[in-house]
Amino acid sequence: DSGVTQTPKHLITATGQRVTLRCSPRSGDLSVYWYQQSLDQGLQFLIQYYNGEERAKGNILERFSAQQFPDLHSELNLSSLELGDSALYFCASNEGTVNTEAFFGQGTRLTVV
Amino acid sequence: GENVEQHPSTLSVQEGDSAVIKCTYSDSASNYFPWYKQELGKRPQLIIDIRSNVGEKKDQRIAVTLNKTAKHFSLHITETQPEDSAVYFCAAPQRSQAGTALIFGKGTTLSVSS
Repeated sequence: DSGVTQTPKHLITATGQRVTLRCSPRSGDLSVYWYQQSLDQGLQFLIQYYNGEERAKGNILERFSAQQFPDLHSELNLSSLELGDSALYFCASNEGTVNTEAFFGQGTRLTVV
Repeated sequence: GENVEQHPSTLSVQEGDSAVIKCTYSDSASNYFPWYKQELGKRPQLIIDIRSNVGEKKDQRIAVTLNKTAKHFSLHITETQPEDSAVYFCAAPQRSQAGTALIFGKGTTLSVSS
């Protein structure tokens, strides 16, 4: 158990819908990273939050957004869903610097039908 | 931003053989290079990392080497066992004005047959 909690574990939804994925980081960790894992694309970095503020941005679509709340949990919002958004979404956390181990949650498997 | 390329995409070895996975990165300022292992249906987990002030690091059967001049680093697994079968990802930091995040290679699927 990494200490990072993601909910829900599985999500099935229709095209055009909106979903929210939730991540609770390890106790004491200030930084949260979101990654998308599709079959042939490895781990694609989406966005990073540190202590409530957006810090780094990767290849995140405009239809996707995220935030980190005062209690440090984070939510990833995916809207106007398309079939191609079906993937495993991982959240990772660490104390804040990239040069330390990032602990991954178990992921949320999103299926868009 | 940082670009990380990883080869090979698949690797099959016999139990007891060695396996080598190579990655190249583009940002010469990068100074931290971790390797993650992801077993089927599970989350990625760190197995070893190296910082730019050393050229090699070992932990039992696994080792990582770093060549900063050539901007590449490699994972070496010796005496492979069936439980080493997994997807392995290398990573390097991508720096932006606001922050830094790990950028991962596309992964190598290692299959160890007994």
